[in-house]
Amino acid sequence: AQTVTQSQPEMSVQEAETVTLSCTYDTSESNYYLFWYKQPPSRQMILVIRQEAYKQQNATENRFSVNFQKAAKSFSLKISDSQLGDTAMYFCAFIPAYTGTASKLTFGTGTRLQVTL
Amino acid sequence: NAGVTQTPKFQVLKTGQSMTLQCAQDMNHEYMSWYRQDPGMGLRLIHYSVGAGITDQGEVPNGYNVSRSTTEDFPLRLLSAAPSQTSVYFCASSYSPEGAGEKLFFGSGTQLSVL
Repeated sequence: AQTVTQSQPEMSVQEAETVTLSCTYDTSESNYYLFWYKQPPSRQMILVIRQEAYKQQNATENRFSVNFQKAAKSFSLKISDSQLGDTAMYFCAFIPAYTGTASKLTFGTGTRLQVTL
Repeated sequence: NAGVTQTPKFQVLKTGQSMTLQCAQDMNHEYMSWYRQDPGMGLRLIHYSVGAGITDQGEVPNGYNVSRSTTEDFPLRLLSAAPSQTSVYFCASSYSPEGAGEKLFFGSGTQLSVL
């Protein structure tokens, strides 16, 4: 069974600063997908970024980028130029590619990020 | 498009009562799933479906039933509610072209309290 670990329950960052959220996972699979989902106070789950394990290049989406270290089984999220709207719970998630459906994600326990003035 | 619609948004039950959480999507997605979110535990998969008439269990299926008679709807039934089922429930759907790499579309959640 796969596991996803987020070791930082809470983090805080000042507006305009950069913050990195950690995620590690355990799997014996060679191809899989990793995701970061954001859950703001509205409770809506929003996809931030995704990475396929076979792709060497780290994914980026505007101010969001990942540091994917396959050998270390690490998948951290970097948020640059933090904004108040980034305040949310962030979940790391994993799924083996062989499942053929995104319905069976394994989530971490989440990191609550607070962006302050 | 409405996306994924969950009803109700809030519900309070007494122990032993039954209820159905409704989930509907209008995107013609094949795949649908139910997760529960508990503090300090993230989201855990309850049941999922890969198409009409096909369902399977996830990580925490006990106490819950599902069925998928149409592509659009995927209701979650609690047969005899227990306090341990107090949680926030999310329904999600996805399309198939990229398979496991697809984005999940989530509903807005149902906050359920069992007294």
